[in-house]
Amino acid sequence: GAVVSQHPSWVICKSGTSVKIECRSLDFQATTMFWYRQFPKQSLMLMATSNEGSKATYEQGVEKDKFLINHASLTLSTLTVTSAHPEDSSFYICSARGLLAGLGDTGELFFGEGSRLTVL
Amino acid sequence: AQKVTQAQTEISVVEKEDVTLDCVYETRDTTYYLFWYKQPPSGELVFLIRRNSFDEQNEISGRYSWNFQKSTSSFNFTITASQVVDSAVYFCALNYLADRGSTLGRLYFGRGTQLTVWP
Repeated sequence: GAVVSQHPSWVICKSGTSVKIECRSLDFQATTMFWYRQFPKQSLMLMATSNEGSKATYEQGVEKDKFLINHASLTLSTLTVTSAHPEDSSFYICSARGLLAGLGDTGELFFGEGSRLTVL
Repeated sequence: AQKVTQAQTEISVVEKEDVTLDCVYETRDTTYYLFWYKQPPSGELVFLIRRNSFDEQNEISGRYSWNFQKSTSSFNFTITASQVVDSAVYFCALNYLADRGSTLGRLYFGRGTQLTVWP
């Protein structure tokens, strides 16, 4: 099946620094990528939707200046947490919807492995 | 509004017991997909099943089975003869076919059910 690779798997950083998380579709073109955040023992909440070549659409309550999303190519989307603070510590996971060779857009979704961010 | 409810926050069973995880959803649309995902402690989401709203047939895959009842807006998941490796958080989710453009593909997740299977 299609593979989505997310990197890094976990990161620890000091308060005030910026952290970039990458989400790559390895064997298909991802027309749309979704970024979710999951706090401990809670559900996954959609943060934003990114489409290749256009600005991301953010969910209500998500600060677009703090969580910068770039989807510059059909295989890569990045989430940058700027000036991270301890309350940004969370599990971030991306999912991709894309064009599978020979099948086109099946509507299927593929998740990355997730990135655990800890801000000290 | 779209909503997925998993009323069971935590379930504990002993190995070999059968266990059913409940999922109830609310939707105004007639076309949608329902999903179940497993999230082990490592965090990654493991896809289990996708069911579209026009297919109410129950599905069985090994020890897993799913019961989709549109009349009660439920999509319950049963694990037969549970094993310790089944211990994880299980999420039910909903996806709208009517979503257009950039939002097609976003999932609405329930809050998850933590399943613990004791040896």
